[in-house]
Amino acid sequence: ETGVTQTPRHLVMGMTNKKSLKCEQHLGHNAMYWYKQSAKKPLELMFVYNFKEQTENNSVPSRFSPECPNSSHLFLHLHTLQPEDSALYLCASSPARNTEAFFGQGTRLTVV
Amino acid sequence: KQEVTQIPAALSVPEGENLVLNCSFTDSAIYNLQWFRQDPGKGLTSLLLIQSSQREQTSGRLNASLDKSSGRSTLYIAASQPGDSATYLCAVRELSGQNFVFGPGTRLSVLP
Repeated sequence: ETGVTQTPRHLVMGMTNKKSLKCEQHLGHNAMYWYKQSAKKPLELMFVYNFKEQTENNSVPSRFSPECPNSSHLFLHLHTLQPEDSALYLCASSPARNTEAFFGQGTRLTVV
Repeated sequence: KQEVTQIPAALSVPEGENLVLNCSFTDSAIYNLQWFRQDPGKGLTSLLLIQSSQREQTSGRLNASLDKSSGRSTLYIAASQPGDSATYLCAVRELSGQNFVFGPGTRLSVLP
C-alpha cells in the first residue's frame, strides 16, 4: 500500500463512452502525475500537476482530459477513445522534485 | 532528450543466486534515480531512491549504485528468492522538469 489509490482498478468502455479515472492521495504531496503503460513499451508521461496547476502535457490527445480540483485528487476524463488507448494508466505523487515518487495500483483500461 | 535503457531485458536464474540488473541513461543532468518493482498487471513499488549526490543505497538484500558521470546504475539482488520474480524498472528524474523517464524494464524470474 503506497498511499496512492486509483479507482476503478479495471474499466471496459466503448469508443463512444465517457468515463473518468480517479486518483487520490492523502500523503500531503504537491505533485501528481498520470502515466500510460502500454504492452511492450516503457511508461509514458501524460500529465504533471504541481500545486494543482498543470505543468506538463506530453502532447497527449485531447480525448484525454485531466482535472486536479485539489492537491489530493487527480482525475483523467476519457471520451471517444480508440482501441489503441487500451493500457494500464498509472497515477503517481511526490512531495517535491528531488524526492521519491509513489505509484498507485493502476487502472487497466480496455477500449472495445 | 533523455533515454533510459535496461539490460538484460529478461533474466531467469535459480533460487539463491546473486544477480545484477543494469540501467543506463544518456543525460547526467538528473535529480535522482529510482528503482521500482512491478508485478504483472499491478502498479509500481518503490525499492530504492538514489539522489544525484549519492553513490549507493541499500535496503535489505537490495543494493543500488549510481555513477552519474557515466550514466549508469546497477541494482544488486543478493540471495534471490522466487518472490523476487517481477519486472524491475529504473527511472531518472530530470533536472529540467518534474518528469520521470523510465527504462523498459528487466523481467526477472527466480526459479525454485
